[in-house]
Amino acid sequence: AQSVTQLDSHVSVSEGTPVLLRCNYSSSYSPSLFWYVQHPNKGLQLLLKYTSAATLVKGINGFEAEFKKSETSFHLTKPSAHMSDAAEYFCVVSVDGGSQGNLIFGKGTKLSVKP
Amino acid sequence: NAGVMQNPRHLVRRRGQEARLRCSPMKGHSHVYWYRQLPEEGLKFMVYLQKENIIDESGMPKERFSAEFPKEGPSILRIQQVVRGDSAAYFCASSSGQGGQPQHFGDGTRLSIL
Repeated sequence: AQSVTQLDSHVSVSEGTPVLLRCNYSSSYSPSLFWYVQHPNKGLQLLLKYTSAATLVKGINGFEAEFKKSETSFHLTKPSAHMSDAAEYFCVVSVDGGSQGNLIFGKGTKLSVKP
Repeated sequence: NAGVMQNPRHLVRRRGQEARLRCSPMKGHSHVYWYRQLPEEGLKFMVYLQKENIIDESGMPKERFSAEFPKEGPSILRIQQVVRGDSAAYFCASSSGQGGQPQHFGDGTRLSIL
């Protein structure tokens, strides 16, 4: 069975400082992993995806994530936070690349960015 | 921009009424997925459809909920005899169905039950 655990429900950073949002996964198969961002009252936007190619994945808006099989982690990072990054972030796992069947979502991490 | 279109954006119903939520997939996508998001929760999968077929409905409540994706027109998520616990945001996603291609999400329908 697949599952994801987002270790922090809320993260607060100052503008210009690094962002780290943590995610651990559990999967019986070689997983596909995603990070989605949700701004208030909006849908979800794909930030990046890992599908067994390079372990360091670069996404949009300066975000990146590293797949570490030994640690079953897929943490999301950004070197310098911007006010517009304030949103909720979801770590997502799928066994089949995400195009077929359902995605399994973590409970989300709310990112606050202080000026 | 022909993204995933959901309507209405907000829907208010009284207990016992029916709710119909519509989703038009992205252009070229024939796979549709419905998810429900309860307050303070992540999204939970409900159902996966292709044109005229339900592929996986393992996340659908056994009663009152149904979904369809007809040959022509949008996908419909239908909730009969709504109850307070149905209040949530319902998201639709679509994909091309090709391996490795991600799901693209609409902005959701916020359903409130009075």
